[in-house]
Amino acid sequence: SAVISQKPSRDICQRGTSLTIQCQVDSQVTMMFWYRQQPGQSLTLIATANQGSEATYESGFVIDKFPISRPNLTFSTLTVSNMSPEDSSIYLCSVSPLAGGSYYNEQFFGPGTRLTVL
Amino acid sequence: AQTVTQSQPEMSVQEAETVTLSCTYDTSESDYYLFWYKQPPSRQMILVIRQEAYKQQNATENRFSVNFQKAAKSFSLKISDSQLGDAAMYFCALAGNTPLVFGKGTRLSVIA
Repeated sequence: SAVISQKPSRDICQRGTSLTIQCQVDSQVTMMFWYRQQPGQSLTLIATANQGSEATYESGFVIDKFPISRPNLTFSTLTVSNMSPEDSSIYLCSVSPLAGGSYYNEQFFGPGTRLTVL
Repeated sequence: AQTVTQSQPEMSVQEAETVTLSCTYDTSESDYYLFWYKQPPSRQMILVIRQEAYKQQNATENRFSVNFQKAAKSFSLKISDSQLGDAAMYFCALAGNTPLVFGKGTRLSVIA
């Protein structure tokens, strides 16, 4: 398994501002993912972060709102832009150390960032 | 599209007893993986157990086991000898030609 850290662990932000969340992994991984977990809800995939290329966004999520960087195989950032109270959620970074093949496999998760937007 | 359904929003079990959490899924893929994740109040997602679809044998991990019924697209989790530390949200998840897709979760309470 991989050890994943996220910064910050929590934050309270004002409407209209932006927050960048960092995800650091202790080993090189091929696939990194960002999920959103709204209060009391399940996890929803925001995007897949690929090293050296643009992130792949899921339906309902756009790059202008959630820009992602993946500068190397151990690090990624997710920015939540122009925040509104509806963005209040837990944001989780996830990695899949198992590379290769055309199928996705198990994923390991960071501790999450709890964001509250006032 | 791949979907995962957990029909039990909440379950409870007496300490030392056995409980089964239900999960059904839908996918058009022939190769896929199924998982159960646990999320305690700390919000850390913890992988509990993993099942490869091509394996007929049900996966087991200590007190945790699954009943995988591929034809019925059913994947239930059995927790034996329940402990207070098992109290958490449990998510069933599916990975195939897409990253993990999660069910809505089942909140498990353990009664001392």
